[in-house]
Amino acid sequence: EVQLLESGGGLVQPGGSLRLSCAGSGFTFSNYAMSWVRQPPGKGLEWVSFISGSGDKTYYVDSVKGRFTISRDNSKNMLYVQMNSLRVEDTAVYYCARRGDYLESRGQGTLVTVSS
Amino acid sequence: ETVMTQSPATLSVSPGERDTLSCRASQSVSSNLAWYQQKPGQAPRLLIYGASARATGIPARFSGSGSGTEFTLTISSLQSEDFAVYYCQQYNNWPWTFGQGTKVEIK
Repeated sequence: EVQLLESGGGLVQPGGSLRLSCAGSGFTFSNYAMSWVRQPPGKGLEWVSFISGSGDKTYYVDSVKGRFTISRDNSKNMLYVQMNSLRVEDTAVYYCARRGDYLESRGQGTLVTVSS
Repeated sequence: ETVMTQSPATLSVSPGERDTLSCRASQSVSSNLAWYQQKPGQAPRLLIYGASARATGIPARFSGSGSGTEFTLTISSLQSEDFAVYYCQQYNNWPWTFGQGTKVEIK
């Protein structure tokens, strides 16, 4: 069974940093592109970033480009996103997802709140 | 950026009725279109990918059609567990984008 478990969310002040992690299991992690998708409270979904299976290609939505960095460690079956210069509008539930195109499998999400 | 527009915003339907949701893309997305169901407090659940392929475990009452810029999701006979918000998403033109959602509520 495919399992994805996000961690690292919490409350951070504007301008601060946070690193989210996602542990994958039940599949050959390195065979899949992986993604981060977010959803602000009460709002719709936004595809934030994805990374190729080998980690050599990364993609970002313009709103996070230059502030977020996606990475992976295939030896540990882990996906990460380093989020810097956080803004109030980055407040959202962040989902880790298998694949880089559609949300085939995803975790239950971790809440990031950016507030002073 | 490819803008995805869903209609209607809210659909009031009685259990057992047929339900059709629409999704329009601002430019062609070929057949690279997915549909999701989301219930309150839950993560989105994949229903359809490739515009018409049902995801694993999805009941046959859910069907998708369309290509290019016009897409539909049909629920042939609405069950009580189908009342939720439905999103379409294109994955043809980066950044991948979602529609704003259609809420299907009990009439």
